[in-house]
Amino acid sequence: KNEVEQSPQNLTAQEGEFITINCSYSVGISALHWLQQHPGGGIVSLFMLSSGKKKHGRLIATINIQEKHSSLHITASHPRDSAVYICAVNGAGSYQLTFGKGTKLSVIP
Amino acid sequence: DGGITQSPKYLFRKEGQNVTLSCEQNLNHDAMYWYRQDPGQGLRLIYYSQIVNDFQKGDIAEGYSVSREKKESFPLTVTSAQKNPTAFYLCASSPSDLRPYEQYFGPGTRLTVT
Repeated sequence: KNEVEQSPQNLTAQEGEFITINCSYSVGISALHWLQQHPGGGIVSLFMLSSGKKKHGRLIATINIQEKHSSLHITASHPRDSAVYICAVNGAGSYQLTFGKGTKLSVIP
Repeated sequence: DGGITQSPKYLFRKEGQNVTLSCEQNLNHDAMYWYRQDPGQGLRLIYYSQIVNDFQKGDIAEGYSVSREKKESFPLTVTSAQKNPTAFYLCASSPSDLRPYEQYFGPGTRLTVT
């Protein structure tokens, strides 16, 4: 069974700062997801990737398959980015997701 | 608007009562999932269904039951046998054909049992 570790658990940043959240997993995967959960609880999918890098606005996600590691970057952070960011993986050939515990990000004006 | 609906957003029950959480999707997705979220823990899979009239236990199925009589609906019943039912419950769905690894999440139901 895959183990998904995220770091840091909590992160406080000043508005405008560049933010990095890390995710490591233990065994091979078919896909890795970055999800965003706002205080109300609903979850939004930010990225799904299996190799390389994806960018959407101020968000960038990268994955290194050999090192079993992914990072989520937020450029020019803003208070509205405050949320819990969750990393999740599909095991090789599996539709089921294994989730990390999440990183709680607070961006202060 | 396509999406997943979970109702209600907040639910309160007395200990010993069964309670059913609703999940409806109009995305025409084949697969549906139920997850439980507790503070400080990652989401955990309760049950999933890849097709109508079929479902499989996830990691923490004890004390829960589901049905999948229609493609768009996947209700979860939290029974009195569930020892710690108070949690946040999320439903998700995925198009298990061309894009099997994508999952779309509902807004969640926060269940409190006292």
